[in-house]
Amino acid sequence: SQQGEEDPQALSIQEGENATMNCSYKTSINNLQWYRQNSGRGLVHLILIRSNEREKHSGRLRVTLDTSKKSSSLLITASRAADTASYFCATVARGSTLGRLYFGRGTQLTVWP
Amino acid sequence: EPEVTQTPSHQVTQMGQEVILRCVPISNHLYFYWYRQILGQKVEFLVSFYNNEISEKSEIFDDQFSVERPDGSNFTLKIRSTKLEDSAMYFCASNRDRLETQYFGPGTRLLVL
Repeated sequence: SQQGEEDPQALSIQEGENATMNCSYKTSINNLQWYRQNSGRGLVHLILIRSNEREKHSGRLRVTLDTSKKSSSLLITASRAADTASYFCATVARGSTLGRLYFGRGTQLTVWP
Repeated sequence: EPEVTQTPSHQVTQMGQEVILRCVPISNHLYFYWYRQILGQKVEFLVSFYNNEISEKSEIFDDQFSVERPDGSNFTLKIRSTKLEDSAMYFCASNRDRLETQYFGPGTRLLVL
């Protein structure tokens, strides 16, 4: 299957520390998207990275993509308590004509004040 | 900034009843999606919709499900005869192009008793 899988499943850090979450997937992709979900709430889009890109930044977020290893990482620098949430990667398969997203199980990030 | 909206935010229904979940996608978007997330599990694709017809559906999207775009703004998911296992958070998403960022609504939490 295409699904991405994140690790770790759970990550607990102190405010000010960096948080790194990883995502692996199984088949070739067109793009990979990272989302955040606060407990029981909606999915907030963070970053989209295309298969021909290696790195993207948005504020305190940095995403890398290694298509040879079929993996991506999300780095949150100088974390804040408000960053506490679940983080998901989702992929669109290469050759997809329909844009279906395949989600992983997510990483639960807890940032302690 | 334009947002995807969903109503209701919560719905409780009896097994066997019909429910209609409503979504208003972002106005200039052309592709529409429904996903669901059973508590504690990954987000799963249900169906995509483009040009007034279903583009793709998953194995979950059986005959008890249907989607409709009754007018120029709303996008609905109907579950004809709800089952206990339909209890989940249902998300609507939309994008301008199938390979671009999908923007998600806040979700409808459905509880089937």
